[in-house]
Amino acid sequence: DGGITQSPKYLFRKEGQNVTLSCEQNLNHDAMYWYRQDPGQGLRLIYYSQIVNDFQKGDIAEGYSVSREKKESFPLTVTSAQKNPTAFYLCASMFRGQTEAFFGQGTRLTVV
Amino acid sequence: KQEVTQIPAALSVPEGENLVLNCSFTDSAIYNLQWFRQDPGKGLTSLLLIQSSQREQTSGRLNASLDKSSGRSTLYIAASQPGDSATYLCVPAADSWGKLQFGAGTQVVVTP
Repeated sequence: DGGITQSPKYLFRKEGQNVTLSCEQNLNHDAMYWYRQDPGQGLRLIYYSQIVNDFQKGDIAEGYSVSREKKESFPLTVTSAQKNPTAFYLCASMFRGQTEAFFGQGTRLTVV
Repeated sequence: KQEVTQIPAALSVPEGENLVLNCSFTDSAIYNLQWFRQDPGKGLTSLLLIQSSQREQTSGRLNASLDKSSGRSTLYIAASQPGDSATYLCVPAADSWGKLQFGAGTQVVVTP
């Protein structure tokens, strides 16, 4: 089945640790996105990538990093510089020019 | 900066009633608009995509209208069912690369 797979579903991070969230798509989509969702708020864009080996900062990129070495993969690293990382993280992808976005099932990150 | 407002923020109706969810956005220069549903702790599921040149889009019991010039979209759900309980998000796209803007959504509860 075609779709977007995020893993893990739940992730716990200790203070000072870096953690990496995985996002893989087999839809052959060009663009991939990472969003953060906090309770009662709209999704906020962290990073996005329109082509392999290229990515841009979104509205809240500080404390996060990404890579896009393969078209189907767009991992997000939450670094120790992110002071309030507890949130629900969503990955999305789409074809350029269609902008029908498809989302993964999310990763819930909690700082312990 | 695009601001998306969805009214009401929460809605509870008995099964069988029709639902009307309203969305307004401040910048009418949108590429298209997508309606999503989100179940608790899950990712977003696309319901309808309306291109900027269209006035409405229908899928089953769902109908979405778009008045781009006035910055409004409405989602109608006919004959609501308990399975329609979710948060509904109206998401305009600024360009063909899918720069999406999110509001906080409307939380819907349909009681049996």
